[in-house]
Amino acid sequence: GAVVSQHPSRVICKSGTSVKIECRSLDFQATTMFWYRQFPKQSLMLMATSNEGSKATYEQGVEKDKFLINHASLTLSTLTVTSAHPEDSSFYICSTPNFGQGDTEAFFGQGTRLTVV
Amino acid sequence: KQEVTQIPAALSVPEGENLVLNCSFTDSAIYNLQWFRQDPGKGLTSLLLIQSSQREQTSGRLNASLDKSSGRSTLYIAASQPGDSATYLCAVEGYGSARQLTFGSGTQLTVLP
Repeated sequence: GAVVSQHPSRVICKSGTSVKIECRSLDFQATTMFWYRQFPKQSLMLMATSNEGSKATYEQGVEKDKFLINHASLTLSTLTVTSAHPEDSSFYICSTPNFGQGDTEAFFGQGTRLTVV
Repeated sequence: KQEVTQIPAALSVPEGENLVLNCSFTDSAIYNLQWFRQDPGKGLTSLLLIQSSQREQTSGRLNASLDKSSGRSTLYIAASQPGDSATYLCAVEGYGSARQLTFGSGTQLTVLP
């Protein structure tokens, strides 16, 4: 089946640095990518929706200048956490809807555990 | 705005027991409902997807039901095993949402050997 590959799976960075998370669709074209964030013992919350070739749409309360999303090709979407702070420590996961095969489930990346120290 | 609630937040059962996880949602205008499994520090594994026109779906020891009018879904796990220990998430996809999902906060299941 189709796969979304997300990297890195874990990253520890110093406060003030930037971290880039990549999601690649391996055998299909992902025109849309959703980026979710999950704090400990909480649900996944949608941060933003990226569409290939256009600007991302951010959910209310998500700073677009802090969480830079680029979807420059049909197989790659990236999320960059800029000037990371400890409160940005979270689990980030990408997902793309399965438009090509009708009403089936979305595909999720493996997730990235970000720890800012 | 759609809100998804899952109860209980945590559940611990002995091996072999049958159990039910509950999910409720506030807006019944949904396209589908999905149940996922999440292991600690890992991504999501899709378990079952129920279309809005369906009442239930089954896969092995798992059975998910959907009552759209009342805004409820249940995930039934038969003959639970320690390997079933994980967090179970339900998520709904609404109409006009461009296929993004609204997740519940999950039920953390522990099956004791």
